[in-house]
Amino acid sequence: GAGVSQTPSNKVTEKGKYVELRCDPISGHTALYWYRQSLGQGPEFLIYFQGTGAADDSGLPNDRFFAVRPEGSVSTLKIQRTERGDSAVYLCASSLIRWETQYFGPGTRLLVL
Amino acid sequence: GENVEQHPSTLSVQEGDSAVIKCTYSDSASNYFPWYKQELGKRPQLIIDIRSNVGEKKDQRIAVTLNKTAKHFSLHITETQPEDSAVYFCAATNRDDKIIFGKGTRLHILP
Repeated sequence: GAGVSQTPSNKVTEKGKYVELRCDPISGHTALYWYRQSLGQGPEFLIYFQGTGAADDSGLPNDRFFAVRPEGSVSTLKIQRTERGDSAVYLCASSLIRWETQYFGPGTRLLVL
Repeated sequence: GENVEQHPSTLSVQEGDSAVIKCTYSDSASNYFPWYKQELGKRPQLIIDIRSNVGEKKDQRIAVTLNKTAKHFSLHITETQPEDSAVYFCAATNRDDKIIFGKGTRLHILP
């Protein structure tokens, strides 16, 4: 595709529910990153994949958050037992190689009621 | 870990004037400094970046300067236009090559 895509664009869920957010990186990009952006803040690093493996997951806030990239392309961010504080825009980015220019997707706006 | 401070948080300039946004970083090992522009409800888009082996880089109306000794870098936009209105984020890699973003500057171009 022409750019990074993310689905859904918006997700409303209830506290305690499970959600999955999907990221489709630019074709051929080996590195994929997830960020969380709260209102009025810069993107906050969550996790980075190099190929299929999570090379750095130090930004995940707790064990309710998990991400996978089974085939080294599409990635899914999974949030269990959602809390109101999880409400934010979740951004995905990809780059050709590690930490080179990152191209962002449009984000998924998550609202936990 | 790396800490990136960005100032000002809000900036208003008259159309046609210049705008300057400044950032400082804490990790002396940082070596990559991208700047992103984010319009309301849109994704962050890279507008310019600079590496630590370069002191200045320019792309048309946009320039970035880097002072490694002082650990600060700045974005300069000249001849500002209405479409420059957006939130601008600076960022820096930390010791682990993780990109850390500043809190952003909301730039308003006044007619």
